[in-house]
Amino acid sequence: GESVGLHLPTLSVQEGDNSIINCAYSNSASDYFIWYKQESGKGPQFIIDIRSNMDKRQGQRVTVLLNKTVKHLSLQIAATQPGDSAVYFCAEKGNTPLVFGKGTRLSVIA
Amino acid sequence: DTEVTQTPKHLVMGMTNKKSLKCEQHMGHRAMYWYKQKAKKPPELMFVYSYEKLSINESVPSRFSPECPNSSLLNLHLHALQPEDSALYLCASSLSGQGRNEQFFGPGTRLTVL
Repeated sequence: GESVGLHLPTLSVQEGDNSIINCAYSNSASDYFIWYKQESGKGPQFIIDIRSNMDKRQGQRVTVLLNKTVKHLSLQIAATQPGDSAVYFCAEKGNTPLVFGKGTRLSVIA
Repeated sequence: DTEVTQTPKHLVMGMTNKKSLKCEQHMGHRAMYWYKQKAKKPPELMFVYSYEKLSINESVPSRFSPECPNSSLLNLHLHALQPEDSALYLCASSLSGQGRNEQFFGPGTRLTVL
């Protein structure tokens, strides 16, 4: 079936640098996308979402970009901090339940 | 109150035991979910309740039995589980099941089946 996937399973970033986490999705009917952060031993925590009628949305230190032409989603984290270390999942939704991508582990180097 | 709570945090059970996982939210959400998450994998959907009715069962074995007593509570009854059922079980809720709105997750129950 169709699924959401990520290009890189791990990402190491220097503290203070910007992080970019990518996600490719294959269901062209998906019209809602969410980024979650999951720290060790915890449940996924909502970071930011975007609907398909937008191509960019900004939050506090985070920006999500959506390119529907190539079915690509990215999460940008500005001035990455040690507390940003976690696994990041993208998730998509259309007329089906939420489908999660494989996840990217972000490690912040102090 | 903007959180989903789950009990217990940890559970160890034998293959012949019967146990239940509990989930609660007081955000007025009308959709609630059970997910299973294995180590280093994304959450996998098991069940969806919408307005207290089971709307999705993702071909989950009958040894897992969900129950939604009211709009704030969701249970997962476990019986005759296998060691491969050991995982983190996550509960989530959202405003509705069909809408484009975020799901809030609980902290999960770490289940170990011996």
